[in-house]
Amino acid sequence: AQSVTQPDIHITVSEGASLELRCNYSYGATPYLFWYVQSPGQGLQLLLKYFSGDTLVQGIKGFEAEFKRSQSSFNLRKPSVHWSDAAEYFCAVGELNSGYALNFGKGTSLLVTP
Amino acid sequence: NAGVTQTPKFQVLKTGQSMTLQCAQDMNHNSMYWYRQDPGMGLRLIYYSASEGTTDKGEVPNGYNVSRLNKREFSLRLESAAPSQTSVYFCASSEGDRELAFFGQGTRLTVV
Repeated sequence: AQSVTQPDIHITVSEGASLELRCNYSYGATPYLFWYVQSPGQGLQLLLKYFSGDTLVQGIKGFEAEFKRSQSSFNLRKPSVHWSDAAEYFCAVGELNSGYALNFGKGTSLLVTP
Repeated sequence: NAGVTQTPKFQVLKTGQSMTLQCAQDMNHNSMYWYRQDPGMGLRLIYYSASEGTTDKGEVPNGYNVSRLNKREFSLRLESAAPSQTSVYFCASSEGDRELAFFGQGTRLTVV
């Protein structure tokens, strides 16, 4: 079955430290991959996306993600976390057969400590 | 500002009541979607409309109906609300696989 897995429910990092959020997917073909961020009480904001080409993609707010086909992963990274990065992060995969609807992981909650 | 607009933002219903959540986008997108978000579950697709005049079930369609009124509007109806439908509902739109999915700000629905 097709699925998106975010193994870490909660992650805590110190401000200024590096960050990596994990995402694994299970799909038959090369998927369309996305990372979204959701601040409390807000909607979802797209951080970055991968469709094809260069496997390292740059997004907004200093985030990047790397598509690794051999590991079925699309991990999100940031070299130095800011307190304002505290939020919920969702990995999503686009399903071609569902009008390009997105299949979401269950999310990773990021806490940033001083 | 261009985007996806949802109304209402908050709603409390009694079990058995009905209501319609409204969604409109002004980006001329063909595809529109309704998701629900529950703690620890991520977002799950309820229904989607790949183009005007078509609708299809997503992962969790039971208890809901949708109407793609025109290209701009995609409404979600709860005919007989149940406590299990307490959730945050998000509408989204996109132009296709190469376009972003734009999300509305959400409707927080509580069924008591």
